[in-house]
Amino acid sequence: KAGVTQTPRYLIKTRGQQVTLSCSPISGHRSVSWYQQTPGQGLQFLFEYFSETQRNKGNFPGRFSGRQFSNSRSEMNVSTLELGDSALYLCASSLPTGGALETQYFGPGTRLLVL
Amino acid sequence: AQTVTQSQPEMSVQEAETVTLSCTYDTSESDYYLFWYKQPPSRQMILVIRQEAYKQQNATENRFSVNFQKAAKSFSLKISDSQLGDAAMYFCAYRSAGEGGSEKLVFGKGMKLTVNP
Repeated sequence: KAGVTQTPRYLIKTRGQQVTLSCSPISGHRSVSWYQQTPGQGLQFLFEYFSETQRNKGNFPGRFSGRQFSNSRSEMNVSTLELGDSALYLCASSLPTGGALETQYFGPGTRLLVL
Repeated sequence: AQTVTQSQPEMSVQEAETVTLSCTYDTSESDYYLFWYKQPPSRQMILVIRQEAYKQQNATENRFSVNFQKAAKSFSLKISDSQLGDAAMYFCAYRSAGEGGSEKLVFGKGMKLTVNP
C-alpha cells in the first residue's frame, strides 16, 4: 500500500505570494492533519480534516487555510506569504475507527522557502 | 492547554549500548495517549511506540520500551542495543482522548540522538 504523498516536495516563493500544498493520504484513510515544523517553534499543529470537515484547528492566522476533498486528499493554502512561513509542512493520515487508538502515518513533507 | 517538554536537546550513545530519552508533559486530562516519534535525516516522521494513559503496563516494541509514570507526568523512552540506524531526532507527543475524536498531536521540541560506532 502506498504511503502518504505530499506534493510538491520543495517550493520557493517570494513574500506576498500564495502557495498551495497537497497531501494524498493512504488509501482508505479519512483523517488528514497538517503540521508546520520550524527550527524555532518545532512541530505545530495547523488543522485536521475528517470526511471533508475541519475537525480541529491550531493557533495560526487566517492566512493559513485548508480543505479536504471527497477522496480524502487535502490541500492547504497560505496566502500573503511571510518570511516566517518558511518551514517543513508535514501531513499525516489515519484511519479513524472510533475510540480506538489509531496510528498517524506521516508524509515526507513539503519544504517551503519564502524569499 | 497541554504541553510537552523534552529537556535534553541532544544525546549520544555508543552502538549496542542503552540510552534513555526523557519527556515530561502537563495536562489536566485523565485520559490521553503518548507517543514517541522518530525523524531521521530523510525527514519522514515514524511512530516508534505509543502508550494509552489508562494502561498501567509500559509499552514495549522490540528494542524500544517506555517508562510511563502517570502521577509524575513522565514518559521516557529506552532504546536497548542501540544501532546506527537509531540516529535521528526523537519527538515525544501527546494526544487527548477527548476533543471529539481529534487526533491533534502536541509535540515536544525534540531531541537529537547520535549513535557512535
